[in-house]
Amino acid sequence: DTGVSQNPRHKITKRGQNVTFRCDPISEHNRLYWYRQTLGQGPEFLTYFQNEAQLEKSRLLSDRFSAERPKGSFSTLEIQRTEQGDSAMYLCASSARQATGELFFGEGSRLTVL
Amino acid sequence: AQSVTQPDIHITVSEGASLELRCNYSYGATPYLFWYVQSPGQGLQLLLKYFSGDTLVQGIKGFEAEFKRSQSSFNLRKPSVHWSDAAEYFCAVGAVVSGGYNKLIFGAGTRLAVHP
Repeated sequence: DTGVSQNPRHKITKRGQNVTFRCDPISEHNRLYWYRQTLGQGPEFLTYFQNEAQLEKSRLLSDRFSAERPKGSFSTLEIQRTEQGDSAMYLCASSARQATGELFFGEGSRLTVL
Repeated sequence: AQSVTQPDIHITVSEGASLELRCNYSYGATPYLFWYVQSPGQGLQLLLKYFSGDTLVQGIKGFEAEFKRSQSSFNLRKPSVHWSDAAEYFCAVGAVVSGGYNKLIFGAGTRLAVHP
């Protein structure tokens, strides 16, 4: 049983660089979520997809952030022109088709912006 | 809008002692409520959830939680804590849409330390 997989697990970059994170959800799950977690805080919702459609984006997702799920399977989260404030853990989760399905989380991708 | 408050940032208990972690939510109708646990280097794991019915919910690892509508609370309990329970615990509420919920809104978490 493969869970939600995220890559890379840790990314260190310099301010101004672009970074991309990938999330592979559980295969039969059609919903996919991105969250951001900073130190001492709970996960904050960023965006979610149902199949390939991006249904909601948080105001936290500035113009520098873009997420895609082109074929309704894996998803990417790209951050352009990174800033030190972007340093956080980026969590991906997936859930099954029904509207009350449990969210299964990956182990996260930690971003450090120097 | 829905929100979740976890009043305790840190809690320390002795191994074998009982535990109660507090969670208060803000939502007008019957909420979907969850408790997740996050151990260092691990993903969030669901402990238990409440959707409807019996207000006392049993979860994994010996945890339970009680939904109290009058207090807008969903406190997590365990009668006897083990050292392996040391972790961060998050309460969450589901943002309701027709037929269910479409995302989770999390509290800030409570970090649990267990003394031997």
